Amino acid sequence: DAGVIQSPRHEVTEMGQEVTLRCKPISGHNSLFWYRQTMMRGLELLIYFNNNVPIDDSGMPEDRFSAKMPNASFSTLKIQPSEPRDSAVYFCASSPRDRVVYTFGSGTRLTVV
Amino acid sequence: GENVGLHLPTLSVQEGDNSIINCAYSNSASDYFIWYKQESGKGPQFIIDIRSNMDKRQGQRVTVLLNKTVKHLSLQIAATQPGDSAVYFCAETRGSSNTGKLIFGQGTTLQVKP
Repeated sequence: DAGVIQSPRHEVTEMGQEVTLRCKPISGHNSLFWYRQTMMRGLELLIYFNNNVPIDDSGMPEDRFSAKMPNASFSTLKIQPSEPRDSAVYFCASSPRDRVVYTFGSGTRLTVV
Repeated sequence: GENVGLHLPTLSVQEGDNSIINCAYSNSASDYFIWYKQESGKGPQFIIDIRSNMDKRQGQRVTVLLNKTVKHLSLQIAATQPGDSAVYFCAETRGSSNTGKLIFGQGTTLQVKP
């Protein structure tokens, strides 16, 4: 199993640009989570999906952030327009139906200049 | 509100010694706890979990202790090795099935001195 796959690993973009982060969960996992990690705030849950349906997006910081999960094997997190304060490492994680044990991807390090 | 925090931001130990990483939680409704290890440049990795109906659970070189009275969780690592150097997070949720979200603490950095 290749694990949770995120792309890109690194992204540097200019303020105001649109950024799209991608995630492929582990096959058979029915829940997917997007986290943001910074030194100041640690790991913050942004949004999570069960069976491709968004369940809780209360962690999404602003309307500039949006997430989709069109099918069981793919999810995106989009920031439009991006701002320097969005700079962080964004992690995607998935878990199986019967256990809250997340498997994390390697993350996308986003830098907005 | 929900809060999971760690007492010590950095722990430095000698190789071969035992390490103890502590975690406090404030949500008395939490009934499932997990420890994660995060190495530099990688995502958090599952170490061990414990349900609230248990006080102790052991894995390979790791032991998790849960004290529900004072809402305290600890991770003990026996015979700490250089490869144990990482940031350790405790996380908590309600229910062991994935109907809820996992809330992470701030993390403790473990440094192992050779």
